Amino acid sequence: EDQVTQSPEALRLQEGESSSLNCSYTVSGLRGLFWYRQDPGKGPEFLFTLYSAGEEKEKERLKATLTKKESFLHITAPKPEDSATYLCAVPSQGGSEKLVFGKGTKLTVNP
Amino acid sequence: EPEVTQTPSHQVTQMGQEVILRCVPISNHLYFYWYRQILGQKVEFLVSFYNNEISEKSEIFDDQFSVERPDGSNFTLKIRSTKLEDSAMYFCASSHQGSLNNQPQHFGDGTRLSIL
Repeated sequence: EDQVTQSPEALRLQEGESSSLNCSYTVSGLRGLFWYRQDPGKGPEFLFTLYSAGEEKEKERLKATLTKKESFLHITAPKPEDSATYLCAVPSQGGSEKLVFGKGTKLTVNP
Repeated sequence: EPEVTQTPSHQVTQMGQEVILRCVPISNHLYFYWYRQILGQKVEFLVSFYNNEISEKSEIFDDQFSVERPDGSNFTLKIRSTKLEDSAMYFCASSHQGSLNNQPQHFGDGTRLSIL
């Protein structure tokens, strides 16, 4: 069964304190890994797609990286507006269109 | 920037009643999806729809659920006889070319369904 596990479940940072979120997956034949941001009461907002091991993508204070078994979302000098739940998702194996989501990491950045 | 829009934002329904959730996907997208998220749990796949038919469905998507694209812009999810356990956020998503082409799915802000 395809599995996506994210850690930590929750993370509190001070403004400017850099850290990383982890997403590990067990799906075989990875066809991309997606990072989303979810604010309370809202839908997942697409951030990045990573296709192959070694790939990196950046957007403002966020950088996503991918290895064969996991992905990291690095947050550099975060601001309070970066507070959200960050979700990782992978397409299920085979020709499936289904995205399998992790439970997310709830990030709180204190001013 | 184009976005997926969902209505209503909140739906309260009596158990056993039918409910229809509505979505307008991004206009040039070809793949459409419904997911749900029970409070505090993961986002779960319900169904995918392409070329006017269901391409895949999960075990959650039983005979009480149906989807339809009644015209060129709307995509609906119908729950025929709602149960208490159907209470959740329901998200519609769309994608230009689908996961096989590594295309991301773009999500709406959801409909909160509350079954009384």
